[in-house]
Amino acid sequence: QQPVQSPQAVILREGEDAVINCSSSKALYSVHWYRQKHGEAPVFLMILLKGGEQKGHDKISASFNEKKQQSSLYLTASQLSYSGTYFCGENTNAGKSTFGDGTTLTVKP
Amino acid sequence: DAGVIQSPRHEVTEMGQEVTLRCKPISGHDYLFWYRQTMMRGLELLIYFNNNVPIDDSGMPEDRFSAKMPNASFSTLKIQPSEPRDSAVYFCASSLGATKNIQYFGAGTRLSVL
Repeated sequence: QQPVQSPQAVILREGEDAVINCSSSKALYSVHWYRQKHGEAPVFLMILLKGGEQKGHDKISASFNEKKQQSSLYLTASQLSYSGTYFCGENTNAGKSTFGDGTTLTVKP
Repeated sequence: DAGVIQSPRHEVTEMGQEVTLRCKPISGHDYLFWYRQTMMRGLELLIYFNNNVPIDDSGMPEDRFSAKMPNASFSTLKIQPSEPRDSAVYFCASSLGATKNIQYFGAGTRLSVL
């Protein structure tokens, strides 16, 4: 089973904010977020570890609620370059990752 | 470092032919992952290796798919015989460690089976 992302798609104007959610049915070790632009490979944005440690992008923040097995990615003051498909990936402590179906973000001028 | 290198970038083949996809992970990384991406099924993990040893191949769709990692700097994903439904973008990714595994993806191989 894979994590469930919501919403499936978001359309924003430059400068607006967005939140992308990710829910899992499993006990997670960590959650990671990637962005993929059309025709390119996914690129790492952020990882959130059990216990609160985070590593990632300066302009993007995220939260990880271990009890609820949920994570949210916060995109503030969106820029045109934020457009793409965002994937959350859930990690077990064995190193295996399973990705959600993705959320397509479109930022318009 | 040059990042994860995949070859070829594009492959067009006919049904029934053997296809071999190649991956060179980032030097020093001990995990290597093979993914398949399609519109219908999203990003699927096919198999992953730790220190060249396959750990979980439960995502490999059928016996027609096989993957090897003969050394720390090279892995292959082979499809024999190929079928049109195998058409997809295949990504290889590598990471250092399991607990904070930030995966670095290669550019992918776009496979079209006619």
